Amino acid sequence: DTEVTQTPKHLVMGMTNKKSLKCEQHMGHRAMYWYKQKAKKPPELMFVYSYEKLSINESVPSRFSPECPNSSLLNLHLHALQPEDSALYLCASSQDGSPRDQAPGELFFGEGSRLTVL
Amino acid sequence: DAKTTQPNSMESNEEEPVHLPCNHSTISGTDYIHWYRQLPSQGPEYVIHGLTSNVNNRMASLAIAEDRKSSTLILHRATLRDAAVYYCILRDVMNTGNQFYFGTGTSLTVIP
Repeated sequence: DTEVTQTPKHLVMGMTNKKSLKCEQHMGHRAMYWYKQKAKKPPELMFVYSYEKLSINESVPSRFSPECPNSSLLNLHLHALQPEDSALYLCASSQDGSPRDQAPGELFFGEGSRLTVL
Repeated sequence: DAKTTQPNSMESNEEEPVHLPCNHSTISGTDYIHWYRQLPSQGPEYVIHGLTSNVNNRMASLAIAEDRKSSTLILHRATLRDAAVYYCILRDVMNTGNQFYFGTGTSLTVIP
């Protein structure tokens, strides 16, 4: 199983709503990532979890709250978002969990969750 | 972070080879060169990576300049399914191994 599964595929929410995006992988990967991608732009790194601990937060606003309940699951909790937060949110995973683990592994991406904030 | 520079767009005829360039003049000795591509309406997918030597796999070849300041992704026979945005990424495995930063990428159009 070389898949990263993201749910939901599409999400529409109001600015006062609380919602969550979910990501799951069963490849035994120890690093998991959230990226944000606006139309016709490259993916932007938001968060990285390494061995279930948050290792990188790219100065993301607190209205985005990541959570890694276990090594297979990654959530992104959304609260009080703005319309400009509308984007494709991509989850990815990789085998190595720290910079010196082993030879650099590839990133496996899910198909993304398309978020629209009204 | 070391940066990469790629042309915004390129065109290729179907069944012809495609050479996608990437400049990374500030590359460090511990930076691996990764290539990913993103087909329309999909997440990015891994294509190939290398450190110093040229690399081949079933999808493509990676040619790395001797001074490592540039690299070229080679698709040997472009097909319509290769139309995508191709990203060249540097990954410093010793210091910031999990920080995969995407550059602007090259949008490849394949002409039938």
